[in-house]
Amino acid sequence: AQSVTQLDSQVPVFEEAPVELRCNYSSSVSVYLFWYVQYPNQGLQLLLKYLSGSTLVKGINGFEAEFNKSQTSFHLRKPSVHISDTAEYFCAGGTSYGKLTFGQGTILTVHP
Amino acid sequence: DAGVIQSPRHEVTEMGQEVTLRCKPISGHDYLFWYRQTMMRGLELLIYFNNNVPIDDSGMPEDRFSAKMPNASFSTLKIQPSEPRDSAVYFCASSLSGNGYTFGSGTRLTVV
Repeated sequence: AQSVTQLDSQVPVFEEAPVELRCNYSSSVSVYLFWYVQYPNQGLQLLLKYLSGSTLVKGINGFEAEFNKSQTSFHLRKPSVHISDTAEYFCAGGTSYGKLTFGQGTILTVHP
Repeated sequence: DAGVIQSPRHEVTEMGQEVTLRCKPISGHDYLFWYRQTMMRGLELLIYFNNNVPIDDSGMPEDRFSAKMPNASFSTLKIQPSEPRDSAVYFCASSLSGNGYTFGSGTRLTVV
């Protein structure tokens, strides 16, 4: 069964520092992978997605993620974070066109 | 495109009452999902539809929960009777065959 594990429940960083949010998936077949962001009292918003092709995926708000098949990882990175990036981030994956499995979420807190 | 529209945004009801949550997916999307989010359990998939047909309802917690999708532009999630432990944020999401979900803003349900 497909599972998605986010390795950190909380990540505190200072403004303008780089950040990496870690995500590992388990699957023996091709996967579709996504990162979503949830700001307080809002729904989840798609940041980026990997369906096929280039393993480095660029998303909105300066975020990017790299699909690493050998390590079954899809870590999210940003070279310099802003206060406004404070939110909860969800990694999700699926092996079919429909159902996605979500990780437990990582709360990113950016301090001034 | 107005996105996925959920109503109401907030619902406060008394224990034992019937609650109906509504969702209008993005036009043309062929999948619709209902999720529940709580602090303790994170995001839980309740049920999903493909082309208006329920595919997997294994996440529906009890017989008190039911969901329908009478046509491609409307779905309901009903709880009858409601209980305090049903208090959560309920999200609807739609997708077009694997391109990632678009989430609604959610319905915050409080059962007192």
